[in-house]
Amino acid sequence: EVQLVESGGGLVQPGGSLRLSCAASGFTFSDHYMDWVRQAPGKGLEWVGRTRNKANSYTTEYAASVKGRFTISRDDSKNSLYLQMNSLKTEDTAVYYCARLSYGYCDYWGQGTLVTVSS
Amino acid sequence: EIVLTQSPDFQSVTPKEKVTITCRASQSIGSSLHWYQQKPDQSPKLLIKYASQSISGVPSRFSGSGSGTDFTLTINSLEAEDAAAYYCHQSSSLPRTFGQGTKLEIK
Repeated sequence: EVQLVESGGGLVQPGGSLRLSCAASGFTFSDHYMDWVRQAPGKGLEWVGRTRNKANSYTTEYAASVKGRFTISRDDSKNSLYLQMNSLKTEDTAVYYCARLSYGYCDYWGQGTLVTVSS
Repeated sequence: EIVLTQSPDFQSVTPKEKVTITCRASQSIGSSLHWYQQKPDQSPKLLIKYASQSISGVPSRFSGSGSGTDFTLTINSLEAEDAAAYYCHQSSSLPRTFGQGTKLEIK
């Protein structure tokens, strides 16, 4: 069974940093691209970014709203995905989901972890 | 960036009704359009891939159609458990984008 479990969310002050993790199981993690998607309270879904797999040099892509502040990485030996978030803003407050990509679409999602940016 | 516009934003429907949700893309995306269902306090669940391809385990009352810029999600014979938000999502180009969502309320 495919499982994605996010962790690391919490309350952080504006300008602060936080690192989210996503633990994957039930599939060959190293084969897949992985996305981060977020959802502000009461709002819709927003794509945050992507990491490709080793075969594609682990290259990353980011939404304009987070580029230069967020960094996506992965450790295939630990079946884990990460999202390093720096220079956090109040508008980054959201539930952050990791999602597995298959043939271009997200087929499995984690349960999400809440990040609250507030003073 | 490709903008996806869904309609309606909200719909109140009765069980057994047929529901149609549309998604319009700001430029042609072929069939690279996917639909998700999100129930309250849950993560999104894939309903339809590539505009019209069914997903294993998803009830057959859910179907999708369209290509290019205009897409439709149809729910035949709505059930109470279908109360949720529905999102379209394009995988044609980066950045990936979602529609703003359609909230279905069951009367």
